Amino acid sequence: EIVMTQSPVTLSVSPGERATLSCRASQSVSSNLAWYQHKRGQSPRLLIYGASIRASGVPARFSGSGSGTEFTLTISSLQSEDFAVYYCQQYDNWPPYTFGQGTKLENK
Amino acid sequence: EVQLVESGGGLVMPGGSLRLSCTLSGINFNDAWMSWVRQAPGKGLEWVGRIKSRGGGATVDYAGPVKGRFSISRDDSKKTFYMDMNSLDSEDTAVYHCTTVQSVLHPVFNSWGQGTLVTVSS
Repeated sequence: EIVMTQSPVTLSVSPGERATLSCRASQSVSSNLAWYQHKRGQSPRLLIYGASIRASGVPARFSGSGSGTEFTLTISSLQSEDFAVYYCQQYDNWPPYTFGQGTKLENK
Repeated sequence: EVQLVESGGGLVMPGGSLRLSCTLSGINFNDAWMSWVRQAPGKGLEWVGRIKSRGGGATVDYAGPVKGRFSISRDDSKKTFYMDMNSLDSEDTAVYHCTTVQSVLHPVFNSWGQGTLVTVSS
């Protein structure tokens, strides 16, 4: 089973600033990596798949990069609605599909 | 608009059983692959299982912790997915979401239901 590790666990950033979230896979997952946003009281939302492809309706300030074992989600200019928990998930070697433990993005 | 609506959650005793349902609208149900993803209190997301479309053989795969205890099925005539959960224990306490799987090439979870809470407790 591929283990996904996200860092940091909590990231404090002010609105308007850039946020950079990291995700590492225990073995290569090629570009088969997705990012999800999960706000309290809501369902998770797919943001990025294929490591860098934005899902339908996702604002351009969200971007994904990386391949192999190292991945990054960047939010270029944080908006108030972006504070949430973010999960990465691999789908290269399944089952099982595996998620990272999440990064909580909070308002500094 | 794709809509998924789960039902069937509740309080169940350890060792008990429960059936969750998920109705899907807004896309062609017959072609839909679907997964269940759960979130235990204070924990992250955990994939539980996935069923392919009938055209894909309706093949089902499960995560290790639920294999042999959970069973996913589909009724295309009712546009409903099911997950039968047996031998439940406290570790299964979670909000269970049904999700659609985007495509064979990118089997990511692109639409989510609001979730149904399962509590396993005596």
